[in-house]
Amino acid sequence: DTGVSQNPRHKITKRGQNVTFRCDPISEHNRLYWYRQTLGQGPEFLTYFQNEAQLEKSRLLSDRFSAERPKGSFSTLEIQRTEQGDSAMYLCASSLTRGTGRRTEAFFGQGTRLTVV
Amino acid sequence: AQKITQTQPGMFVQEKEAVTLDCTYDTSDQSYGLFWYKQPSSGEMIFLIYQGSYDEQNATEGRYSLNFQKARKSANLVISASQLGDSAMYFCAMRDVRMDTGRRALTFGSGTRLQVQP
Repeated sequence: DTGVSQNPRHKITKRGQNVTFRCDPISEHNRLYWYRQTLGQGPEFLTYFQNEAQLEKSRLLSDRFSAERPKGSFSTLEIQRTEQGDSAMYLCASSLTRGTGRRTEAFFGQGTRLTVV
Repeated sequence: AQKITQTQPGMFVQEKEAVTLDCTYDTSDQSYGLFWYKQPSSGEMIFLIYQGSYDEQNATEGRYSLNFQKARKSANLVISASQLGDSAMYFCAMRDVRMDTGRRALTFGSGTRLQVQP
């Protein structure tokens, strides 16, 4: 297993276009998270899946954002009608339910850097 | 609400020297977990070290150690014998648990950029 994989690594899009990002978590991990990281800041939580169920969405996730995790495997994050303020790094992380302490640590992908022009 | 504060936007250290990166936190939870992650220019967040609030000893992982002072609500990262490859952004984070959904997200600080000089 090669860890959490995200595609594409970079995306440049024109304002108003739709974009979709993909995350492939570590295979046995049932929890999946999306974060957004703007320049000079730490990542901020966007949404959380346990298996295929999207159990929580942050208030940062506007109506233009939608995320799915069909069959509890890979996940997609779609942004409709992109705006310049959507420019950021979008990070995906996965973790296991079992265990406590560091054993539920999150493993992150390398992120997708979105630039809206 | 939880909050993580990292007051050092940037730090320089000479190769082979030790460096301390500061982190203070605020939470009303009695049980919590603190993490440090490294983010190189490639973008991936790399887990470094974890400290549980009830752990009696400060965490250590190789050249990384965590100076945990619970009463002061600080969790500083100490990197010993710095290497050129340690140059990166470093983030302190706290686990943000929501019991009804099982969510264990992380609340991050704004990070410290560490530059190791030869």
